[in-house]
Amino acid sequence: GQNIDQPTEMTATEGAIVQINCTYQTSGFNGLFWYQQHAGEAPTFLSYNVLDGLEEKGRFSSFLSRSKGYSYLLLKELQMKDSASYLCAAMDSNYQLIWGAGTKLIIKP
Amino acid sequence: ETGVTQTPRHLVMGMTNKKSLKCEQHLGHNAMYWYKQSAKKPLELMFVYNFKEQTENNSVPSRFSPECPNSSHLFLHLHTLQPEDSALYLCASSQEVSTGYQPQHFGDGTRLSIL
Repeated sequence: GQNIDQPTEMTATEGAIVQINCTYQTSGFNGLFWYQQHAGEAPTFLSYNVLDGLEEKGRFSSFLSRSKGYSYLLLKELQMKDSASYLCAAMDSNYQLIWGAGTKLIIKP
Repeated sequence: ETGVTQTPRHLVMGMTNKKSLKCEQHLGHNAMYWYKQSAKKPLELMFVYNFKEQTENNSVPSRFSPECPNSSHLFLHLHTLQPEDSALYLCASSQEVSTGYQPQHFGDGTRLSIL
């Protein structure tokens, strides 16, 4: 079956760095997406990886290892506004997104 | 502002009521999606429309009925729902249902409560 695993909840301190891991098992693979969702709001697109390696976008970076079925989202210089849920989704061979349950990130002062 | 607008934002209905959820996108996209989001569970894809044609129905009960009159509008008609249908219903759009890098853009959702 197809499956995405990510931690349910993480806590970090303002100004610090946090890494949110995601492992996936899909029938075929056409890329890995990360979304951010604040409570009561729409999920918003953060990043897309289809090749191995690190993609950097400001304070946020995303990493992919296709051989390990593994990705992470790295958030640097954490701000209080980064408190949100982070959703990992892998695209399978039919170009359908398989979603994780999301990681709730709590930022403390 | 994501370019995808959903109405209403909140809906409370009895099990025998009939109501509809509306989604409108202003992004010029050709694919639209309905998802169900329950607490601590992955997003569940319900329906997919590509160029107004339904391409996916993920074994959704018939009490949910989608309608896509054009590429900018999507409806979800609700009838005789069950308490377990209480959830956040998200609409999304993308350029089209095709290859690879096609990020989906989401609306803020309709929070549905079934009494």
